[in-house]
Amino acid sequence: GAGVSQSPRYKVAKRGQDVALRCDPISGHVSLFWYQQALGQGPEFLTYFQNEAQLDKSGLPSDRFFAERPEGSVSTLKIQRTQQEDSAVYLCASSPRLAGSSYEQYFGPGTRLTVT
Amino acid sequence: AQTVTQSQPEMSVQEAETVTLSCTYDTSENNYYLFWYKQPPSRQMILVIRQEAYKQQNATENRFSVNFQKAAKSFSLKISDSQLGDTAMYFCAFTPGPLNSGYSTLTFGKGTMLLVSP
Repeated sequence: GAGVSQSPRYKVAKRGQDVALRCDPISGHVSLFWYQQALGQGPEFLTYFQNEAQLDKSGLPSDRFFAERPEGSVSTLKIQRTQQEDSAVYLCASSPRLAGSSYEQYFGPGTRLTVT
Repeated sequence: AQTVTQSQPEMSVQEAETVTLSCTYDTSENNYYLFWYKQPPSRQMILVIRQEAYKQQNATENRFSVNFQKAAKSFSLKISDSQLGDTAMYFCAFTPGPLNSGYSTLTFGKGTMLLVSP
């Protein structure tokens, strides 16, 4: 079956622009995660959805970051007034179970955001 | 808070040889799960192997095995008979079992870049 997909794969934004990153998880997966991965670093947790409920947004770096998953499937990560420090790869992952288990997370290919 | 430390930024190995990647973690939880994820240059991260802390037996998946030392909080990955396709970033990751909130999230190390050469 289809895996996790993300779009766009690459995004170049001018400083101050708003961007929207999309994640299509595996159908039926309950959990959805967003991570930020800086160059040469491990993924850092941003936010977690259980179906349509955003249970944890403790990793969002500022109030310029906003995520939603209104129908419990597709999710969008929005970044307002982008800054150069927002340049990173944004990874989406989904899992068939609730977070905090031995179940693996299935990752998308990521969106590479470059803010100029 | 949990931390995951990978002390080897880069490792090199020749094809068919064995290599071990190190990982240590810090937690006060007794029930937790540990993972090794692989991220090839194409960037899609995939699970290599997982270990449940309550299981004493080390996990194995074909050429991949772990050395889980709970008391030392160590979780190393051994790759036997290395292949060119093993070239990738390898991330160690940790999650406690569900907390009072009913869930918990993954914490990743900074990764080890493994280069397998012919």
